[in-house]
Amino acid sequence: GAGVSQSPRYKVAKRGQDVALRCDPISGHVSLFWYQQALGQGPEFLTYFQNEAQLDKSGLPSDRFFAERPEGSVSTLKIQRTQQEDSAVYLCASSLPLGGTDTQYFGPGTRLTVL
Amino acid sequence: AQSVAQPEDQVNVAEGNPLTVKCTYSVSGNPYLFWYVQYPNRGLQFLLKYITGDNLVKGSYGFEAEFNKSQTSFHLKKPSALVSDSALYFCAVREPHSFSGGYNKLIFGAGTRLAVHP
Repeated sequence: GAGVSQSPRYKVAKRGQDVALRCDPISGHVSLFWYQQALGQGPEFLTYFQNEAQLDKSGLPSDRFFAERPEGSVSTLKIQRTQQEDSAVYLCASSLPLGGTDTQYFGPGTRLTVL
Repeated sequence: AQSVAQPEDQVNVAEGNPLTVKCTYSVSGNPYLFWYVQYPNRGLQFLLKYITGDNLVKGSYGFEAEFNKSQTSFHLKKPSALVSDSALYFCAVREPHSFSGGYNKLIFGAGTRLAVHP
């Protein structure tokens, strides 16, 4: 595909359930980012991958959040024991690193609702 | 700490009139600034960015933005608004520390909703 894709687009979970959100970046993009966008807010950084290496996970809100990108392409964001405060849109973005001036291209997001 | 402020929650403009969506920033070092647009149930779409050079940056869909270092602003503008421009607009700045690691960690404003009326 030409753009970043994410699945599922919508996810409803009961509090305490585990969820897995998938991101397919643009082919060939080395950098991959996850952001969390709460209702009425701007996106907030969660974590960053360069190929398969997770170089920055400073934005993950708790140890219930885990991300991986084992082969340097598809990435999965996993949330264990979901809580109501985890309800948000989770956005994935990818880019070609060009010395820090690269543009991030975003997927449509996964809207997670925790009941 | 680095931050971005979008002082207006909503901007209303009549179709055909010029529009401005305001953004101010606070960052150490040289700022790398971005504008994205978000349509309902869709991800963010890149509009334009300022890295260096001319203070007036031209982007997609007829949008442009003016970088003003003395006022620490990066306002988004369009000479003639369209109803289809109605959407949520986000200003973002690159976190300087991430640059040392070779990547763009973006800090976003809270967004401004643009409503263009026929």
